[in-house]
Amino acid sequence: RKEVEQDPGPFNVPEGATVAFNCTYSNSASQSFFWYRQDCRKEPKLLMSVYSSGNEDGRFTAQLNRASQYISLLIRDSKLSDSATYLCVVSRGYKLSFGAGTTVTGRA
Amino acid sequence: NAGVTQTPKFRVLKTGQSMTLLCAQDMNHEYMYWYRQDPGMGLRLIHYSVGEGTTAKGEVPDGYNVSRLKKQNFLLGLESAAPSQTSVYFCASSDPGQDYTEAFFGQGTRLTVV
Repeated sequence: RKEVEQDPGPFNVPEGATVAFNCTYSNSASQSFFWYRQDCRKEPKLLMSVYSSGNEDGRFTAQLNRASQYISLLIRDSKLSDSATYLCVVSRGYKLSFGAGTTVTGRA
Repeated sequence: NAGVTQTPKFRVLKTGQSMTLLCAQDMNHEYMYWYRQDPGMGLRLIHYSVGEGTTAKGEVPDGYNVSRLKKQNFLLGLESAAPSQTSVYFCASSDPGQDYTEAFFGQGTRLTVV
């Protein structure tokens, strides 16, 4: 079983719509949680950290459910520029474990 | 504001050739990593280093070697390239001193082994 699993998508999202997707992780000892964004043929970049209480950054909301071991990302009022692959990342000490990514494709 | 710099950005190798990928970071980070990214697989850790002079194996270390002689540099070597090593390679660095550690990535090296 992969340590971090994500629905690969793609999610085809009209402009202005809301999209949400999850990832699950297998190691209950995981300490920190993140969403990274990766544009086509580019390096991953941090989108946001995920806190137990949930957190928002503009149109993006992340939630963590430690009991069920899943992390979610919600994007409101989607823009075409949100088209990317979103990587779920969990860490324990030095070790970062990456999901394979969820692809979001915006459409006008 | 360089961050993490990888060289080269592209390379084509013949089976059996060797090469070294260089990663340099200017953020004084302790941790450095080498990942490979293949379609549908996510990023997989090849080797990592928790400080100057130290290295350790990750998930997929076979066929690769690393060195970290200086804190700012992390080198990845392919001793005898194989077609299975065709991939995109990313170097990353992070600072263990913070609660929520952001990893910074280089722009990637696209390697094709023919």
